Amino acid sequence: GAGVSQSPRYKVAKRGQDVALRCDPISGHVSLFWYQQALGQGPEFLTYFQNEAQLDKSGLPSDRFFAERPEGSVSTLKIQRTQQEDSAVYLCASSVGGARADTQYFGPGTRLTVL
Amino acid sequence: GQNIDQPTEMTATEGAIVQINCTYQTSGFNGLFWYQQHAGEAPTFLSYNVLDGLEEKGRFSSFLSRSKGYSYLLLKELQMKDSASYLCAVSTTGGYNKLIFGAGTRLAVHP
Repeated sequence: GAGVSQSPRYKVAKRGQDVALRCDPISGHVSLFWYQQALGQGPEFLTYFQNEAQLDKSGLPSDRFFAERPEGSVSTLKIQRTQQEDSAVYLCASSVGGARADTQYFGPGTRLTVL
Repeated sequence: GQNIDQPTEMTATEGAIVQINCTYQTSGFNGLFWYQQHAGEAPTFLSYNVLDGLEEKGRFSSFLSRSKGYSYLLLKELQMKDSASYLCAVSTTGGYNKLIFGAGTRLAVHP
């Protein structure tokens, strides 16, 4: 596709359930980022991949959050035992390389609601 | 610590000019980005500044002063479709483009 895609667009989970959120970056993009955006706030960095290597996971809120990008393209963000505070929009972004000035292209996000 | 401040909300009239300010205090600085985000949609790239001065791109311009930790986004000839949130983001690490975002400024354009 032409842009970054994410699925599902909307996810409702009961507290304690596990969820998996998928990101398809722009083809050939080396860098992939995950962000969490709470209502009325800016995106907050969660984790960064360069190809299949997870180089920075400093923003993951707890060990319930896990991300992978096994073949250096599609990425999955998994949240175990979801809590109400996990309710947010999860954005994925990709960029062509890892350079500082590289523009990040965002997907439409997955809106997660934990009941 | 990391701190990026921008006004929460602004209103403006169609056809007018609006300036959205952003001040930042970060542990590193490798450039400043502005993104536009319509409700329920993905942020889209507007501009990037790494050197002091003004960058102009059509109706949108962005200014940076590194010594003052200050940037602004200038929108001219406002249109109704410019109603959106505008996000200021600083790239902080040396090795890759890790962005720290402000909370965003919601701009409402009225006829």
